[in-house]
Amino acid sequence: GAVVSQHPSRVICKSGTSVKIECRSLDFQATTMFWYRQFPKQSLMLMATSNEGSKATYEQGVEKDKFLINHASLTLSTLTVTSAHPEDSSFYICSAGRTGQQETQYFGPGTRLLVL
Amino acid sequence: GNSVTQMEGPVTLSEEAFLTINCTYTATGYPSLFWYVQYPGEGLQLLLKATKADDKGSNKGFEATYRKETTSFHLEKGSVQVSDSAVYFCALDYGGSQGNLIFGKGTKLSVKP
Repeated sequence: GAVVSQHPSRVICKSGTSVKIECRSLDFQATTMFWYRQFPKQSLMLMATSNEGSKATYEQGVEKDKFLINHASLTLSTLTVTSAHPEDSSFYICSAGRTGQQETQYFGPGTRLLVL
Repeated sequence: GNSVTQMEGPVTLSEEAFLTINCTYTATGYPSLFWYVQYPGEGLQLLLKATKADDKGSNKGFEATYRKETTSFHLEKGSVQVSDSAVYFCALDYGGSQGNLIFGKGTKLSVKP
């Protein structure tokens, strides 16, 4: 149990377009989901915390108007990279916290974004 | 501030060799410490954790001891297998609740038969 999926696994887009990444908890409900970004040979950096039915909480330095997060249900959160630029190319990883459990995050396999 | 430093990879070992991946941390207060593993093509999975000083986390033959005096949480395994090939991430939770994880850069381990 506790499987988290991401879609797509890999996406290439043109500069200026928007890209939506989905994160789903497949067999449990997740009140809270997290979005991370990972640059090559770097740590995972928390971008934002997404709570079902409310606005996401963004980490310092993350533009909320550029990285739109929607958590409309207990099993789905989406990250939309708006007006993507080459510097947004990265590996985006989501995780989900099972409702009622603390200190346990279940991670998705990640989405590789390449902006040309 | 809070940070995690782990040894650079890649680490290449022969099967049945002894593994150590060093991890040190900087934190205010008393964080919980974690090791996550990422197998090829999969998401990060919690490998083990320790929530207070001198605790030892263990799972699948891997062990790590929370050393407050040296601010370390080194990962060890006595005899690695090819199936242990993965990327290993050390992390700390500074907030006592989900989401406040700070990760190290990850160490790629390759085990050769």
